[in-house]
Amino acid sequence: AQRVTQPEKLLSVFKGAPVELKCNYSYSGSPELFWYVQYSRQRLQLLLRHISRESIKGFTADLNKGETSFHLKKPFAQEEDSAMYYCALRYGGATNKLIFGTGTLLAVQP
Amino acid sequence: EAQVTQNPRYLITVTGKKLTVTCSQNMNHEYMSWYRQDPGLGLRQIYYSMNVEVTDKGDVPEGYKVSRKEKRNFPLILESPSPNQTSLYFCASRLGQGAGGELFFGEGSRLTVL
Repeated sequence: AQRVTQPEKLLSVFKGAPVELKCNYSYSGSPELFWYVQYSRQRLQLLLRHISRESIKGFTADLNKGETSFHLKKPFAQEEDSAMYYCALRYGGATNKLIFGTGTLLAVQP
Repeated sequence: EAQVTQNPRYLITVTGKKLTVTCSQNMNHEYMSWYRQDPGLGLRQIYYSMNVEVTDKGDVPEGYKVSRKEKRNFPLILESPSPNQTSLYFCASRLGQGAGGELFFGEGSRLTVL
């Protein structure tokens, strides 16, 4: 069955430290993967998607099919990065389903 | 402003009292979906709709109904709410089936069932 796993409920780092939010997926087909972010008192929004191979707010994520991972990375964390991060997998062709991981709360300390 | 609007944002109700959470989008999106967010469980899909008059069950549909009579609206109906439906609910929409389609979320509706 399709699954998205985010092993860390909470990740606490100091400002300026590197950040890696882990995401592993289980899917036998060709995955589409996303990172969504929810800042305090704001709605959930797309951060980045793997097919775009983009860097948003200094964050990058590389799809590693061999390790079935899509970890989110940033070399130097900022306090404004503190938020809830969700990894999501889209699959199913015509049914077009999107499933989310359980989320990781990133807390960047000053 | 392009957005997804949910109402009510907060609601406290009692077991068995029917309620509806409305969702409306002004982006002419074909796809709409409802999720519930619970601590430790993340976001789980309740129902989704690929287009008008086309709805399908997500992962946790029990106790919920939906309808899609118009493209812009996708209400979530709890016919007989129970305490285990206490949760934070999100409506979302997307343009279509194209690869890379971004989901746009509403602000959420926090429901408490006593």
